[in-house]
Amino acid sequence: QKEVEQNSGPLSVPEGAIASLNCTYSDRGSQSFFWYRQYSGKSPELIMSIYSNGDKEDGRFTAQLNKASQYVSLLIRDSQPSDSATYLCAVHPGGGADGLTFGKGTHLIIQP
Amino acid sequence: NAGVTQTPKFQVLKTGQSMTLQCAQDMNHNSMYWYRQDPGMGLRLIYYSASEGTTDKGEVPNGYNVSRLNKREFSLRLESAAPSQTSVYFCASSEALAGGSDTQYFGPGTRLTVL
Repeated sequence: QKEVEQNSGPLSVPEGAIASLNCTYSDRGSQSFFWYRQYSGKSPELIMSIYSNGDKEDGRFTAQLNKASQYVSLLIRDSQPSDSATYLCAVHPGGGADGLTFGKGTHLIIQP
Repeated sequence: NAGVTQTPKFQVLKTGQSMTLQCAQDMNHNSMYWYRQDPGMGLRLIYYSASEGTTDKGEVPNGYNVSRLNKREFSLRLESAAPSQTSVYFCASSEALAGGSDTQYFGPGTRLTVL
């Protein structure tokens, strides 16, 4: 059974600070890793994808992957109230049409 | 370019009724997916279609059927709805053939209540 674990939160972070979201996965063969943002009542929206060990930066967002530790993280710098949402970690075996395995999500609250 | 569209947005059914959820994508993607999202459970895969003409079961297929009507459209049918199928249903699509991206893009969702 493939599993993706996230702390459900809520994670409360002051505006302007760095928010750190973490995710672990059980399937060592996983190749593709995604972070989605989901506002209440809305659909998941892709924030970042990462495929190789190390860091990947896109604006205020940095994804980090460590396949040896089966660990993925998302850092949000200069957090804004508009970043308040649930962040979903998703894992894919790579190279085909299989579905994503999702964590249950971390509820992030940015305090003005 | 609308991306992934779903109809209806909301639906209330009585136990035992049937209905079909529709999904269409205009990104020329090969693969399409149906997920359900329940409070505290995260998103779970119901069925997927790797390419036109093929479908496969996901994690929670019981009580559902699917049809890949053509490359653009993938429908989900509940033959005899049960209260346990009350959920939010999301359709997604991706390129997902060899060499293509496995990133999945989601539709706006259908909120289904079964009484």
